[in-house]
Amino acid sequence: DTGVSQDPRHKITKRGQNVTFRCDPISEHNRLYWYRQTLGQGPEFLTYFQNEAQLEKSRLLSDRFSAERPKGSFSTLEIQRTEQGDSAMYLCASSGRQGYGYTFGSGTRLTVV
Amino acid sequence: TQLLEQSPQFLSIQEGENLTVYCNSSSVFSSLQWYRQEPGEGPVLLVTVVTGGEVKKLKRLTFQFGDARKDSSLHITAAQPGDTGLYLCAGIGAAGNKLTFGGGTRVLVKP
Repeated sequence: DTGVSQDPRHKITKRGQNVTFRCDPISEHNRLYWYRQTLGQGPEFLTYFQNEAQLEKSRLLSDRFSAERPKGSFSTLEIQRTEQGDSAMYLCASSGRQGYGYTFGSGTRLTVV
Repeated sequence: TQLLEQSPQFLSIQEGENLTVYCNSSSVFSSLQWYRQEPGEGPVLLVTVVTGGEVKKLKRLTFQFGDARKDSSLHITAAQPGDTGLYLCAGIGAAGNKLTFGGGTRVLVKP
């Protein structure tokens, strides 16, 4: 297993367009997390899945954001009608056991122009 | 909301010097983790501390968890340019379902 994979690594989009990011976690991990990180800040929690169930969503996750993990394996994060304020690094992480062993992907850097 | 504050925000030192980064909160965490992040990459886990008062050493890095499990510190001895990066602390609450990160400390070790 090569760790957590995120695709694409970079995305430049025009304001108002929709974008979708993919995360492939470590195969035996049942927990998957999405975070957002802006320049010079620590990551902020967006949402969390256990298997295919989305168990928690941050208030940061406006109705333009949606995340899915349909078969309990990979996950997608979609942002509709992107705004310049959505420009950030979107990080995915997975863990196999509550409270331990978080592994992060390299992130998707989104730039909205 | 559980918040973690890191200090300092930025630290620039010469190779061979020691440094300490602090992570403080008014909340109790069941465990606390330290990560290092390079530009354009995701955070990489360095250590997890679980027990109040716990001290863990990883080569030249020493991590301490406060007795009350509200704060932590990271001490680097004889820093090297390879230690340059963004150091992040992250707490796990009682529910154990997500990490709450501090704002990070950017460390620059000059040769």
